Amino acid sequence: DAGITQSPRHKVTETGTPVTLRCHQTENHRYMYWYRQDPGHGLRLIHYSYGVKDTDKGEVSDGYSVSRSKTEDFLLTLESATSSQTSVYFCAISDGTVNEQFFGPGTRLTVL
Amino acid sequence: DAKTTQPTSMDCAEGRAANLPCNHSTISGNEYVYWYRQIHSQGPQYIIHGLKNNETNEMASLIITEDRKSSTLILPHATLRDTAVYYCIVSVNTGTASKLTFGTGTRLQVTL
Repeated sequence: DAGITQSPRHKVTETGTPVTLRCHQTENHRYMYWYRQDPGHGLRLIHYSYGVKDTDKGEVSDGYSVSRSKTEDFLLTLESATSSQTSVYFCAISDGTVNEQFFGPGTRLTVL
Repeated sequence: DAKTTQPTSMDCAEGRAANLPCNHSTISGNEYVYWYRQIHSQGPQYIIHGLKNNETNEMASLIITEDRKSSTLILPHATLRDTAVYYCIVSVNTGTASKLTFGTGTRLQVTL
C-alpha cells in the first residue's frame, strides 16, 4: 500500500470553528488531492497540488483552503466549519498526471 | 469533462467473470478512461486505465470500443472480496493534475 496517512481519522466540531485536516505521504509523489464524499455521491475534488506551494481549486472549493509547504504534507483547512461540510474527506497522491491516484483511509468530519 | 453512465447495481456469481459496462459517449480524444473501486468506506482503489487500446493487468481487463464511446471492465474470476462500488471515470489531464470526477458507480455484489 502507498504510504499515505490522514489525521485525524475522526473529528467532531462545532459550526463556526476552524478545522485543519492533514494528509501525509512518504512516497515523494508530486501530486496531492483532497476529495469529499457524501452519501449518495461519488467523490468530489476540493483542491489539488502539483508541487510545493503550487495548488489549484477543484469543483467544490468554496469554504476550503489548502497549503503545501513541503512535499510530504498537504493541509486542508475549513476556515469556518458549517454543517454542510460534514463529510468524509479523502486525500490522494499521484506521481504523474496520467498515473493512478492512491487514496488515504479518509477522515470522517462531523460539524454540529 | 465527459460524463459517464453506469448501471446502479449488478450481481455476479463467485468464480464467474464480472463484466461492468460504462457509457461515455461525449468523451474527447485526449480523455482517459479510469476504473476505481471502493470497498465499504475505504478509500477508492485504482484498478486500470486506458486511452484507446484495450488494457490488462493483474486485477482486470479494460475493453474500449473503437469509437471510444463505451468501455467494459472485466474481472475474470470474481471473488467475494470483489464486492464493491466500481467507478468508471473519464478524465482529461491538464498538465497540472488529473481531475477525476466520480459518479455514483455500479454496486457489484458477488455471491456464492
